[in-house]
Amino acid sequence: QKEVEQNSGPLSVPEGAIASLNCTYSDRGSQSFFWYRQYSGKSPELIMFIYSNGDKEDGRFTAQLNKASQYVSLLIRDSQPSDSATYLCAVNRGFGNEKLTFGTGTRLTIIP
Amino acid sequence: GAVVSQHPSRVICKSGTSVKIECRSLDFQATTMFWYRQFPKQSLMLMATSNEGSKATYEQGVEKDKFLINHASLTLSTLTVTSAHPEDSSFYICSAKLGQTHFSYEQYFGPGTRLTVT
Repeated sequence: QKEVEQNSGPLSVPEGAIASLNCTYSDRGSQSFFWYRQYSGKSPELIMFIYSNGDKEDGRFTAQLNKASQYVSLLIRDSQPSDSATYLCAVNRGFGNEKLTFGTGTRLTIIP
Repeated sequence: GAVVSQHPSRVICKSGTSVKIECRSLDFQATTMFWYRQFPKQSLMLMATSNEGSKATYEQGVEKDKFLINHASLTLSTLTVTSAHPEDSSFYICSAKLGQTHFSYEQYFGPGTRLTVT
């Protein structure tokens, strides 16, 4: 079992719709959860981070965390063509142990 | 936001030579930096954790004598690929964690260095 699992996609979503990206993790000691966006040929860019169960909203992005189910998701509202990228889920064990473990990423395509 | 730079952005070298890649935190002090490698269509793989003033911690399977890491200051870490071979061709990316003055778990990534060994 991979430590961090994501559906590789590609996930195609019409412009203006909600894109939903999912991630599960195996380490119950994980404390911090991150979503990075990576455009082709570029390095990852931090989009959202979440530490507590529940929802966290930032603009068009909402991260959702359920530690009991070991599940974290990212919702992108009003999807734009510029959102087309690979989204990487990453987790670590928190302060003092910040090594990130990445999923393989989900490729998202927003269809105009 | 936190800005991390890398230099060079792209390098081509001949097999058997060494290449040095620099990673700098521009607007904050980074006590810890991380070095990753990413092969095409794969995710990021952590190579090593670099702590200012101490030896780097390498992940299992990463040769510390081949990938030399130096974190000489709170804003600079370097990765030297020694005796590079074509299989070392990859996208090398560093990241930096905000220092102890910030209660933060987030890592910010540099733009990456694309290494091609011929």
